[in-house]
Amino acid sequence: NAGVTQTPKFRILKIGQSMTLQCTQDMNHNYMYWYRQDPGMGLKLIYYSVGAGITDKGEVPNGYNVSRSTTEDFPLRLELAAPSQTSVYFCASSSVNTEAFFGQGTRLTVV
Amino acid sequence: AQRVTQPEKLLSVFKGAPVELKCNYSYSGSPELFWYVQYSRQRLQLLLRHISRESIKGFTADLNKGETSFHLKKPFAQEEDSAMYYCALLGYGGSQGNLIFGKGTKLSVKP
Repeated sequence: NAGVTQTPKFRILKIGQSMTLQCTQDMNHNYMYWYRQDPGMGLKLIYYSVGAGITDKGEVPNGYNVSRSTTEDFPLRLELAAPSQTSVYFCASSSVNTEAFFGQGTRLTVV
Repeated sequence: AQRVTQPEKLLSVFKGAPVELKCNYSYSGSPELFWYVQYSRQRLQLLLRHISRESIKGFTADLNKGETSFHLKKPFAQEEDSAMYYCALLGYGGSQGNLIFGKGTKLSVKP
């Protein structure tokens, strides 16, 4: 029973590098989300998707991109990493009338 | 507008004391509300949802439509309750997909 799986768990990037955070869910959920959580702070929504082929910006989308080519996958792309993007990233999925299920998080450090 | 407000960023109590984490919401219609918990370095997980009216780990939350509140309560706090707590609202459409989180309250239970 995998649920929501994020990879990698940890990553260190140099300023200007790019990377993709992977997220996949096996619950056939329509809704998927990417959040970031800065130390001692709450969740901030980066992007979300209501279904395959549909994505929209959340509260803090700058510096990120997403795609949703399948129901299962919702990768988050950082094109030019900056120190301000050092954070813990959480992917989540949900369906209509269900709670959200979260991945275990990706701890990203940009140096 | 659909919104969830958690007015306290940090709540500190002593072991055995009652605890109340506040959550207010803004939503037209009948809301579905949840409390999520995040223990140190773990993924967010559902604590309880108002439609189930259950008590989990001694916590309860009652929906008060008149006050548009969904406060989380526990009569006797334990050290293992120390965690980050998020109130969430199941909305429809809007800028945050279908799940709207508050900013979170960090509960610290001191011995």
